[in-house]
Amino acid sequence: TQLLEQSPQFLSIQEGENLTVYCNSSSVFSSLQWYRQEPGEGPVLLVTVVTGGEVKKLKRLTFQFGDARKDSSLHITAAQPGDTGLYLCAEVRNNNDMRFGAGTRLTVKP
Amino acid sequence: DVKVTQSSRYLVKRTGEKVFLECVQDMDHENMFWYRQDPGLGLRLIYFSYDVKMKEKGDIPEGYSVSREKKERFSLILESASTNQTSMYLCASSTRDRKNTGELFFGEGSRLTVL
Repeated sequence: TQLLEQSPQFLSIQEGENLTVYCNSSSVFSSLQWYRQEPGEGPVLLVTVVTGGEVKKLKRLTFQFGDARKDSSLHITAAQPGDTGLYLCAEVRNNNDMRFGAGTRLTVKP
Repeated sequence: DVKVTQSSRYLVKRTGEKVFLECVQDMDHENMFWYRQDPGLGLRLIYFSYDVKMKEKGDIPEGYSVSREKKERFSLILESASTNQTSMYLCASSTRDRKNTGELFFGEGSRLTVL
């Protein structure tokens, strides 16, 4: 069974700082998604990456998919309190069901 | 606005009770899913369904069953609730996507406590 490992598990930073969180697998991803979950809500899709080496940007968020498609990172520039939440990576398996990592819980303090 | 609606945000049940968690989506999605979310374990797939009256076991189906009588509705059933089923339950739906890049749309979750 492929495991998705996310690191760090917890991250607490000040507003304006940069940060990177990671998602790693023991084998190759077919495609990978990042979701953000705010307290009391369900996860919401941020991005899907499919091609090895792919980089996608969403405002202050930069997503990278490793060349070998076994790892991914999410970098946030100048974090804001509104970025607070649980960041989840998920592997897309057959028929669109997902396997999720345990997540990185980010707190951005004003 | 697309929506996945879970019937109960918070439930408290006693050990041995039968529990129904209802989920309705208004996006005409073929696929529907039930996950449970526990701290440090992420989201784990319980059951999913690709079509009406179809169901497939996920990674942790023991102690659960599901029903999909209509396309828009997917119900999770705990026949005899136990304390280790205390958790946050998340329903999700997605359209069928042969490229396997489909987006999951989640409900707000149902937090179940079993005493």
